[in-house]
Amino acid sequence: EAGVTQFPSHSVIEKGQTVTLRCDPISGHDNLYWYRRVMGKEIKFLLHFVKESKQDESGMPNNRFLAERTGGTYSTLKVQPAELEDSGVYFCASSQDRGYGYTFGSGTRLTVV
Amino acid sequence: EDQVTQSPEALRLQEGESSSLNCSYTVSGLRGLFWYRQDPGKGPEFLFTLYSAGEEKEKERLKATLTKKESFLHITAPKPEDSATYLCAVNGGATNKLIFGTGTLLAVQP
Repeated sequence: EAGVTQFPSHSVIEKGQTVTLRCDPISGHDNLYWYRRVMGKEIKFLLHFVKESKQDESGMPNNRFLAERTGGTYSTLKVQPAELEDSGVYFCASSQDRGYGYTFGSGTRLTVV
Repeated sequence: EDQVTQSPEALRLQEGESSSLNCSYTVSGLRGLFWYRQDPGKGPEFLFTLYSAGEEKEKERLKATLTKKESFLHITAPKPEDSATYLCAVNGGATNKLIFGTGTLLAVQP
């Protein structure tokens, strides 16, 4: 089966610009998660979708981050406007059931300059 | 507060030299402890889930064990291809999110 696909793999943008990250989960996986790893820190949870609904968005840093999941399929994470501290690797993961091992994508490395 | 601490931060082994990685955790109502392997430029790759103290799981040269406070990832006779960052994460409490440790960077030299 196809894995979790993230696009783009790398993005370099200037402070103040907007960037949109996309995640295509494994087909049939209702649960979709976004995580982020900033340099030198552990991977941290951002939010969790169940189908198209936000189940938990307690990890979203601030209102510059907006996540959507259209029709319960792919998801986008928009950062607007981007700040320097937003740099890091953004991972998407999906799972069929809660509590089981998630499948992660390869991540999007975001650099804000 | 839920927390995961991994040790050591980095470990260098000779091929064939067995060792263990540690993951200490604090979480209210553990639902699962996860081990992942991460290679450079890739996302975490799922290895094991452990659900209750005393549980053990094996995969090739890897064996994961769980107690009420920590988990160990034992690596038996490692090979250079086992070199990677090994991540531990827990799921528990009221939410479904994973709490990650910072990982152990393992280097196996031939």
